[in-house]
Amino acid sequence: SYELTQPPSVSVSPGQTASITCSGDKLGDKYACWYQQKPGQSPVMVIYQDSKRPSGIPERFSGSNSGNTATLTISGTQAMDEADYYCQAWDSSSAQFGGGTKLTVL
Amino acid sequence: EVQLVESGGGLVQPGGSLRLSCAASGFTFSRYDMHWVRQATGKGLEWVSAIGTAGDTYYPGSVKGRFTISRENAKNSLYLQMNSLRAGDTAVYYCARGAGYSSGMEDGMDVWGQGTTVTVSS
Repeated sequence: SYELTQPPSVSVSPGQTASITCSGDKLGDKYACWYQQKPGQSPVMVIYQDSKRPSGIPERFSGSNSGNTATLTISGTQAMDEADYYCQAWDSSSAQFGGGTKLTVL
Repeated sequence: EVQLVESGGGLVQPGGSLRLSCAASGFTFSRYDMHWVRQATGKGLEWVSAIGTAGDTYYPGSVKGRFTISRENAKNSLYLQMNSLRAGDTAVYYCARGAGYSSGMEDGMDVWGQGTTVTVSS
């Protein structure tokens, strides 16, 4: 089955830029999306179709996808952005999630 | 307000069955693909199944043959029939709406319910 690999954790200082990667075979040929999940809450989509933001998602969230890697970038990271982030793609009639990355803002 | 509300979770013995329901409101249910996604305590998200607007269904190998997804558009409802349950199926089960920005399933899930907990234990 198709696999997506994310780093388990990323740390960033407030106001700085956080980048979370997601790797998969020829991922750039597929659409990648990203979800944010805070403790005790349901996931929230923050990026779809590689780089588009759903309504209500702040502009500081952006995405890219090329080759084997999709990247979620959070510019001017705020304390409220501390959460788990998951990438996801659709391949061969199946949805696949990455293992998740815990973003710590410190 | 667009909303998804899951129900039907509970405690079930290994080998048993359970049927989850998801009530949709605030949007035209029949026009959207729908998914079930689960999350074991302290673990990541795992996709469980999807159903298209035409009733086409999709499953990962881990649940294929044991789980059945279905929808009833007249009742704005999504279901997940789970048979031959195992301890490894213990998780919070989320109902999620396919984002539908394009024509396929590749756009991800833009609306999620609050989840219902399934515990498989003797």
